[in-house]
Amino acid sequence: EAGVAQSPRYKIIEKRQSVAFWCNPISGHATLYWYQQILGQGPKLLIQFQNNGVVDDSQLPKDRFSAERLKGVDSTLKIQPAKLEDSAVYLCASSFPQGAAKNIQYFGAGTRLSVL
Amino acid sequence: GIQVEQSPPDLILQEGANSTLRCNFSDSVNNLQWFHQNPWGQLINLFYIPSGTKQNGRLSATTVATERYSLLYISSSQTTDSGVYFCAVAVSYNTDKLIFGTGTRLQVFP
Repeated sequence: EAGVAQSPRYKIIEKRQSVAFWCNPISGHATLYWYQQILGQGPKLLIQFQNNGVVDDSQLPKDRFSAERLKGVDSTLKIQPAKLEDSAVYLCASSFPQGAAKNIQYFGAGTRLSVL
Repeated sequence: GIQVEQSPPDLILQEGANSTLRCNFSDSVNNLQWFHQNPWGQLINLFYIPSGTKQNGRLSATTVATERYSLLYISSSQTTDSGVYFCAVAVSYNTDKLIFGTGTRLQVFP
């Protein structure tokens, strides 16, 4: 079974530029999450989707961050414009919302963003 | 909001040693997971354990929900066990939003 796919693996941009990250969850996983992990800290949830609807985006800085999951499968996370403090690893995770595997989240390898 | 604290923050072991990692949380939870983040940054789910005890090879975990803590045991540690171990909890039945702890950084030397 293929895992959660993310791209790119690394991205370096200058502040005020825009950047987008892509995530393809495990096949059949209806729930998709985007996390931000700053160096030395645990991941922090930015947004959670159930199919193509948003379940929780309370910690998403909506003035500069946006995310979509138009067809309920792939998702993109965008930052526009980027700030220095956005330097972090952006992790995508997915889970199957029913049965014994409910709530077990599987993570992708992440995208490491450096804002200069 | 809920607080999740892990101890110790850092742990250095020689190969073959055993260790216990602890996770304390400040409120009742309906979801608790242990993750290993390897040196390349990949987060691997080790256990889904909101209560009770589970074992998987050299790893085992116990959560005592009434006392609000969980323990991760690593026996006969290997260099490949190195990395950061995170405990993560969820408190709401409406969302499975995970709150991650501060992590324990483990280094295992040959």
